[in-house]
Amino acid sequence: ETGVTQSPTHLIKTRGQQVTLRCSSQSGHNTVSWYQQALGQGPQFIFQYYREEENGRGNFPPRFSGLQFPNYSSELNVNALELDDSALYLCASSFHRGQDEKLFFGSGTQLSVL
Amino acid sequence: QKEVEQNSGPLSVPEGAIASLNCTYSDRGSQSFFWYRQYSGKSPELIMSIYSNGDKEDGRFTAQLNKASQYVSLLIRDSQPSDSATYLCAVRSNFGNEKLTFGTGTRLTIIP
Repeated sequence: ETGVTQSPTHLIKTRGQQVTLRCSSQSGHNTVSWYQQALGQGPQFIFQYYREEENGRGNFPPRFSGLQFPNYSSELNVNALELDDSALYLCASSFHRGQDEKLFFGSGTQLSVL
Repeated sequence: QKEVEQNSGPLSVPEGAIASLNCTYSDRGSQSFFWYRQYSGKSPELIMSIYSNGDKEDGRFTAQLNKASQYVSLLIRDSQPSDSATYLCAVRSNFGNEKLTFGTGTRLTIIP
């Protein structure tokens, strides 16, 4: 167990709806990263939050947004859901330290968009 | 060209043998390299990290890095059925070091 918790574990939404996923980071970690993993693919970087600010973003549209709270927990919000948003959403926490920063993943949220 | 490439497998290895997993990357400025294990339906679990050329051993696992060839590998000695999983190679570049770029993973099956 990594100590990173995500909720909910599973979610079913319809196209056009909005969704909020939540993540609590491991004790002592100050950085949260979000990844999307489609079936049969490796995780794709969405964005990272450090000190409540976005600290890097991958190739995802603005309808993917996030927040980090003072206790280092985080939310991922996705608006106007599309069928292709169906995936496993992974939150990873870390301690911001540069090149040797190690990511520890939560168990993920499986999102299905119908 | 994909940024991080792995053979998707499946790779089948007899129990007790050495499993060899390979990964190549395109960004010559990459500095940090990680191997994650992912069981079916679960999230990735960090098993090895390596930053310098050469070998790094941790129990039955050995990571090997060759920056000149842009190549990183993972050896699993004395393979066990519990090692059956997908192994993901992840790379962090020198610049924009907030993100890990993952390969698609190699599915490993250990045959009892």
